[in-house]
Amino acid sequence: AQKVTQAQTEISVVEKEDVTLDCVYETRDTTYYLFWYKQPPSGELVFLIRRNSFDEQNEISGRYSWNFQKSTSSFNFTITASQVVDSAVYFCALSEAQGVDSNYQLIWGAGTKLIIKP
Amino acid sequence: GAVVSQHPSRVICKSGTSVKIECRSLDFQATTMFWYRQFPKQSLMLMATSNEGSKATYEQGVEKDKFLINHASLTLSTLTVTSAHPEDSSFYICSAHGLAGSISYNEQFFGPGTRLTVL
Repeated sequence: AQKVTQAQTEISVVEKEDVTLDCVYETRDTTYYLFWYKQPPSGELVFLIRRNSFDEQNEISGRYSWNFQKSTSSFNFTITASQVVDSAVYFCALSEAQGVDSNYQLIWGAGTKLIIKP
Repeated sequence: GAVVSQHPSRVICKSGTSVKIECRSLDFQATTMFWYRQFPKQSLMLMATSNEGSKATYEQGVEKDKFLINHASLTLSTLTVTSAHPEDSSFYICSAHGLAGSISYNEQFFGPGTRLTVL
């Protein structure tokens, strides 16, 4: 069975601190995709990253970085030098690619609410 | 590319009325569209998956007669909440997966969501 676990319900840090959001997944497939989305108070989901199961390289995009570890089935997200604008709910999701007919259905984590205090 | 719009963004209605929410893919062909419901402080819950020209596949526990989904074209899907009641108040999000020319998008693209309040 597929499952995504975001054990941290809520994290609160002071601005400029680094913060890591955890994501652990379960899947039997060898080919899959992992995603992170940001959902600010407006509600609109903002795509942050997609990573396929064959690419274990860590990714850095500005203050954001992602650590993909297949050995521990984790795909953690770190924000460096956090800012108030980073306050949002962050979702991790898993999609199991099943060939050309796949509709890439997403399995969602429960989300982590990140509060950045000024 | 890969933009999905949703209309309306916010709707308030009286109990017993029906509400239609539109989801459009603006620059690609959405062969598959998804409808989600999100309650406050919760994750997204998939309601149904629809493929263009065929009936939607509803998730367990979702009433198909209550939430009517039509995916009549490759760029438009609609969700109609029939005889809405206060417990139907929620944030509804659509997403689409499909093709732009010969390129297959192997991910979903999300609309901005519709906040429904039933009085």
